[in-house]
Amino acid sequence: AQSVTQLDSHVSVSEGTPVLLRCNYSSSYSPSLFWYVQHPNKGLQLLLKYTSAATLVKGINGFEAEFKKSETSFHLTKPSAHMSDAAEYFCAQINTGTASKLTFGTGTRLQVTL
Amino acid sequence: KAGVTQTPRYLIKTRGQQVTLSCSPISGHRSVSWYQQTPGQGLQFLFEYFSETQRNKGNFPGRFSGRQFSNSRSEMNVSTLELGDSALYLCASSLEYDTGELFFGEGSRLTVL
Repeated sequence: AQSVTQLDSHVSVSEGTPVLLRCNYSSSYSPSLFWYVQHPNKGLQLLLKYTSAATLVKGINGFEAEFKKSETSFHLTKPSAHMSDAAEYFCAQINTGTASKLTFGTGTRLQVTL
Repeated sequence: KAGVTQTPRYLIKTRGQQVTLSCSPISGHRSVSWYQQTPGQGLQFLFEYFSETQRNKGNFPGRFSGRQFSNSRSEMNVSTLELGDSALYLCASSLEYDTGELFFGEGSRLTVL
C-alpha cells in the first residue's frame, strides 16, 4: 500500500528564514506527488505537483520541491518565510494510471515567528 | 469562477441520526471526491465520482454513501451516526478523472453528540 511520511509534525521558523518541510513517499513505478496547504478553517489548496517532468518543481507563493528518486523524498522549501505561510502542509501521492485517490501524509504545522 | 461550495458548513447531530452533505464543484469539473479529516486519522479518502459513477471507494463502512447528479453536484450521506464520525468532511473537484490536482471546498464540520 502507498504511504507518505512527513518527518516533522511541527516546524517553527523565524520570518525571513528558509523553510524546509520533509516528505518521503513509498516507492512506486511512476508516482505523482503533491504538496497542499491548509490555512485554519479552510480547505486544502494545491501548492505544487510533480508528475515525472522536471525534478525541481516550482509552485505558488515562492515554494519549491525537489523530487529525489534515490532518496524517495519530495521535500518542500521556501527561501524566506512570511507570516502568511503559517499553516498546515500536507504531502500527498497517487500512482499514475490509477484512480485519483490521494494518499496524504499526516501533515506538518508550520509556525512563523517574528 | 466560483470555487467548490459545500453546505452546510457546520452541523451538530446526535448518535443514530443520519446526515446529508452537499457539494457543488467548480463549473466544468466532472469529478468530485470526498475526504474525511480528523485529528487522529488525518485525511482519509472516502469516494470519488465521475460522470455520476462511483470510480473509487475508500475503506469506510457502508454507512457512508454518496452520489453524483447529472450537473456534477454531489452529496454524501452518513447513516446511523457514531461519535467517531465527528470530522471535517472535505469535497474536492477536478476537471477529469485520475488526477491528484484537486480543488477543495472549505468543508462541512460535523459534530456528533
